[in-house]
This record gives sequence, structure tokens and C-alpha cells, in this order.
Amino acid sequence: EAGVTQSPRYAVLQEGQAVSFWCDPISGHDTLYWYQQPRDQGPQLLVYFRDEAVIDNSQLPSDRFSAVRPKGTNSTLKIQSAKQGDTATYLCASLRDRLNERLFFGHGTKLSVL
Amino acid sequence: GEQVEQRPPHLSVREGDSAIIICTYTDSATAYFSWYKQEAGAGLQLLMSVLSNVDRKEEQGLTVLLNKKDKRLSLNLTAAHPGDSAVYFCAVSVNYNVLYFGSGTKLTVEP
Repeated sequence: EAGVTQSPRYAVLQEGQAVSFWCDPISGHDTLYWYQQPRDQGPQLLVYFRDEAVIDNSQLPSDRFSAVRPKGTNSTLKIQSAKQGDTATYLCASLRDRLNERLFFGHGTKLSVL
Repeated sequence: GEQVEQRPPHLSVREGDSAIIICTYTDSATAYFSWYKQEAGAGLQLLMSVLSNVDRKEEQGLTVLLNKKDKRLSLNLTAAHPGDSAVYFCAVSVNYNVLYFGSGTKLTVEP
């Protein structure tokens, strides 16, 4: 079974530039999460979907961040105008929403904003 | 919302010693508790999880203790070896939909 796939693995931007991160969850997983992990900190939830619907995006900075999952499979997280404070690893995770199912994480995209 | 504190931030032990990491949480409705391992350049790997009706769970050299009265969760690596060197995170959830992570403990196991 393939794991959660993310691309790119690394991104380096100047402030003000835009970037998109892509996630392919495990087949059959209806729930998908995007977490932000700043250096030397734990992951913090940005947004999560069940199928194509956004369930919780309350922690997503809506002025610059957006996330979609149009067909309930792959997802894209976009930063419109990056700031240095966005420097972090962006983790995607997926889950089949059944009792006792576990969460699987991708390797993440490491973003550096100069 | 849920606040999770994890300590220590850094832990160094000798091979064969035990290593204990502790997390405290604030929401008494928290029902799901887990520990993850993150090796350099790799994703988060689930080590063990327990529900709130479990006080103690042992598995392959790892012991998780849950003290609901004190809202404290601990991970004990008995007889650590160099391959255990990594960053460890606790993660808790009220409804299993959203995980709240601790800030991580960088464990170094010296031969």
C-alpha cells in the first residue's frame, strides 16, 4: 500500500512569492489534514477535509492561505504571498474515518521563506 | 482550546538506560492519546496510542502511562538503544478528528 505522498520535498522562496503544496493521500482515506510544523515545534493543524468538504479551517490564515480537495482525493495547499514566518514543514496526513483507524503522515514539504 | 505541554525538550541517555517523556494536557474531555516518533528527514511514525479507559499499555519496550486525574501522559522507553534517537511527540484528541501535539523531545541515545 502506498503511503501519503507530498511534493515538492523542499521549497525556497522570497517574501511575497506564492507556492503550492500537493498531497496524495492513501487510497480510500476520506479524511485529509494539513499541519504546519515550525522548526523545533510540534505540528499544528491548519485545515482538514472529509471527502471534498472543509470540516475545520479555523486555524488557516485565510488572507494568504487556501486549501482545496475538489474530488475528495488529492489536495493542494497554497500560500499566496509568503512571509518569513511561514517558514516551516507542511505535513499532510490522511485517515479512513472508522473506529480505531490510524492516521498516516507524509514526509512533508520543507518551506524556507527568505 | 486544548493546550499540550511536553518535557523535557532534550534528553540524553546511555544505551540500556530508560528514557521518560511527559506531557500534560488541559481538556478533561480528551479521549485519545498517542506518541509519535520523527526521525530526521522522515515523516511522523505512530508508536502507540491509548484511549481514556486505559491507564497503562506496554508494547515492544515502550510503556505508556495515563493519569487522567493529573491530565498527564508519559512515555517510557526501557533499555533505549541508539536507533531510538529521534524526536518524540505526544498528541492528544477529544474526538480523534483533530490531534494536538506537544512541542517535542529530542532524544539522543549514546552507545
